[in-house]
Amino acid sequence: SAVISQKPSRDICQRGTSLTIQCQVDSQVTMMFWYRQQPGQSLTLIATANQGSEATYESGFVIDKFPISRPNLTFSTLTVSNMSPEDSSIYLCSVIRGLEEEAFFGQGTRLTVV
Amino acid sequence: QKEVEQNSGPLSVPEGAIASLNCTYSDRGSQSFFWYRQYSGKSPELIMFIYSNGDKEDGRFTAQLNKASQYVSLLIRDSQPSDSATYLCAANVASGTYKYIFGTGTRLKVLA
Repeated sequence: SAVISQKPSRDICQRGTSLTIQCQVDSQVTMMFWYRQQPGQSLTLIATANQGSEATYESGFVIDKFPISRPNLTFSTLTVSNMSPEDSSIYLCSVIRGLEEEAFFGQGTRLTVV
Repeated sequence: QKEVEQNSGPLSVPEGAIASLNCTYSDRGSQSFFWYRQYSGKSPELIMFIYSNGDKEDGRFTAQLNKASQYVSLLIRDSQPSDSATYLCAANVASGTYKYIFGTGTRLKVLA
């Protein structure tokens, strides 16, 4: 498995502000993803972070709200923009390495918007 | 819409018993299946993955896949209180996409 460092681990933010979450992996990985887990619910895929190009967003998620960068094979950021209380959630970075299909998750960022 | 369904539970079993967790999926195009364990306040941890029909065993865990019936199960033998967690079933959206659909999870309680 890969060692995935995600930060911050938690934050409390004012509505209307933005938060950038970082995900750093200890080795090169093929795929990086960002998921959201709302309170009491399962994981929903936000987007695939593509190295050196625009992320691929899933239905219901847009770049203006969730801009994502992936400048190299080991690092990605997710920004939650213009936050509202509905954005309160856990945000998780996930990686897949090489030819394996198994995905591993970072520790998550617990975001509370007040 | 592609779905993965699980009974939310809680499923309560006594310590030392076998816990049986079930999952069904809607898309016959799904080929890879995964079980994650998630403790409260923590991120999901991969327990098992299975790609072929039949059983796959790893220690106290056995994953079972039946593609004809579109169900996946996870058996935990000799259940321990430390196994108490939410178990998430996931299926890939389509072969080679590396995208997963997650079920809502089954909460397991192992009673000491």
